[in-house]
This record gives sequence, structure tokens and C-alpha cells, in this order.
Amino acid sequence: SQTIHQWPATLVQPVGSPLSLECTVEGTSNPNLYWYRQAAGRGLQLLFYSVGIGQISSEVPQNLSASRPQDRQFILSSKKLLLSDSGFYLCAWRRGVINEQFFGPGTRLTVL
Amino acid sequence: AQTVTQSQPEMSVQEAETVTLSCTYDTSENNYYLFWYKQPPSRQMILVIRQEAYKQQNATENRFSVNFQKAAKSFSLKISDSQLGDTAMYFCAFCPVAGGGNKLTFGTGTQLKVEL
Repeated sequence: SQTIHQWPATLVQPVGSPLSLECTVEGTSNPNLYWYRQAAGRGLQLLFYSVGIGQISSEVPQNLSASRPQDRQFILSSKKLLLSDSGFYLCAWRRGVINEQFFGPGTRLTVL
Repeated sequence: AQTVTQSQPEMSVQEAETVTLSCTYDTSENNYYLFWYKQPPSRQMILVIRQEAYKQQNATENRFSVNFQKAAKSFSLKISDSQLGDTAMYFCAFCPVAGGGNKLTFGTGTQLKVEL
């Protein structure tokens, strides 16, 4: 069966510091991968998606970036965090032709 | 671009009763999928049910069923025999079949509270 992992689960970072969030998927190959952000009390905003290694599409211009160095690894990064980057970050993968997306447990990021 | 609207920010229901959550969407696509996701206090997003737009029959998953009205662009979720564990934020989501990335567009969510 497929599983998706995210770490860390919780992160508190000062403004201006770098960021690296990691997402890995097990039990599948060549998945579509997605990064979402959820602000407090709001829906999910798609940040990036990837259809393959090294292929990244950005949905929202911001100071975040994403990379996919391996087939089942998706990384969200920032060189300098802003207060507005605080939120809950979710990684997801897409299964087959049905377009269902399955989500990881998320990372709660607080920027102080 | 697609939009998904959930007009009920909060709802409550008594245990064992039935509740219906509303969702409308706007799209020019003819072929797409619709989903309901549940986000309990743990914040894990859990797929509840999906509907393919080309199917006229409404999807059902145990106590969860949908009322899909394609012409009206409406996709409501009915929860029967509500249980305390159903307390969660529920999100409606749209995904076109065509287009790069197969991206989901989410509504803003409905917070459901099941009460004793």
C-alpha cells in the first residue's frame, strides 16, 4: 500500500531564516506530487505541483520554491521566511487516472 | 478558471441524525471529478467520497452519499446516522480531467459539529 510522509511535523522559525520541508511517498512510482498551504480557518491553496523529477510548476508567486530531486521526494524551500509564510503545509500525491489526491499528515509552520 | 463555493461556514447536527452540506462550483469543463474531503482536528485530510461527472448515478460510501446535479453545478454531501467522529471540517473539491497537473480546487470548507 502507498504511504506519504512529511517532516518535520512542527516547526518554529524566525523571520529571515531558511526553510526546508520534505515529503516522500512510498509504494508507488512516478506520482504527481503537490504542495498546499492552509492558512488558519481557511481552505487549501495549491503552491506547487510536479509531474516528474525536476519538473515543477508554480501556482502562486512568492518567496517559496519547490524541488523534486527523486521520483518520490518533493521538497518545499525558502531562502528567507516571512511572517506571512506561517501556516499548515500539506503534501499530496495523485493516484492513477481517477485524479484522487492523498495527503500527508502536514507540517505546522510558525514564523516569529 | 474553476471556483468552488461552500456557503455554510458552520453546521451542527445531533448524533444519529442526518445532515447535508452544500457545495456549488463554476466551470466550463464538461469532464471532471468532484470530491469531498474531511479534515478532523488532527488536520489530516481524508478523502470521503468522489463523483465522476460523466456518471449520472450518485456516489455512496457507507453513511456518506452525494447529490450531484450537473446542470445546476451542485454537489452536496449527505451524512446519515451522524457520529461524534464525523466532527470535522469538510471540503468540497473540483478537478478537471483535462489540463496539466490535474489540480484540485477547494472550497473554503464547512465546519461540522456532531453533538450528543
